[in-house]
Amino acid sequence: ELKVEQNPLFLSMQEGKNYTIYCNYSTTSDRLYWYRQDPGKSLESLFVLLSNGAVKQEGRLMASLDTKARLSTLHITAAVHDLSATYFCAVDLGGSQGNLIFGKGTKLSVKP
Amino acid sequence: GAVVSQHPSWVICKSGTSVKIECRSLDFQATTMFWYRQFPKQSLMLMATSNEGSKATYEQGVEKDKFLINHASLTLSTLTVTSAHPEDSSFYICSAMSGASYEQYFGPGTRLTVT
Repeated sequence: ELKVEQNPLFLSMQEGKNYTIYCNYSTTSDRLYWYRQDPGKSLESLFVLLSNGAVKQEGRLMASLDTKARLSTLHITAAVHDLSATYFCAVDLGGSQGNLIFGKGTKLSVKP
Repeated sequence: GAVVSQHPSWVICKSGTSVKIECRSLDFQATTMFWYRQFPKQSLMLMATSNEGSKATYEQGVEKDKFLINHASLTLSTLTVTSAHPEDSSFYICSAMSGASYEQYFGPGTRLTVT
């Protein structure tokens, strides 16, 4: 059974600081996704990571994937309040069905 | 591109009644659609996967007779919660995948409250 573990589950940080969210998964997968969810809203796609060593950046967020270590990271640089949300990683089980297994999410709160 | 809509966005129903939720891919053909359920402050749990024209595949622990899924066309899937109970109250999110890529595109979600 594929397990996806995120940590931390809760993160309170000050504006301007840097931090990293980790996503570990238990079986081989070459496709990993990061999503953002605001309260009461659905998921917003942030990054799609499709190969070992993939690194993608958008604004203050940067995601990377190490398929050998079964680890993805979401790095936040110089956090701002607008980044406050819950962030989920999701691992694709593979095959043609595209089934995703989600981590429990990291609730990020950025305080002034 | 890749827009998925859901209707209704929220619904309140009485215990014992049935509720239908629609999921539409607006600008692409969805070979596969997924239905997720999210309880407050929890992650998304996959309920079922459906392919157009065939029966849905349900995840373990999801009652197929209670959560009826119909993927009648390449742009529409419906989830019917039959004989709803308060414990079915949740946020239901659908996603759609085209044959061109593995990425899933998520709908805005439907908040169901059963009183």
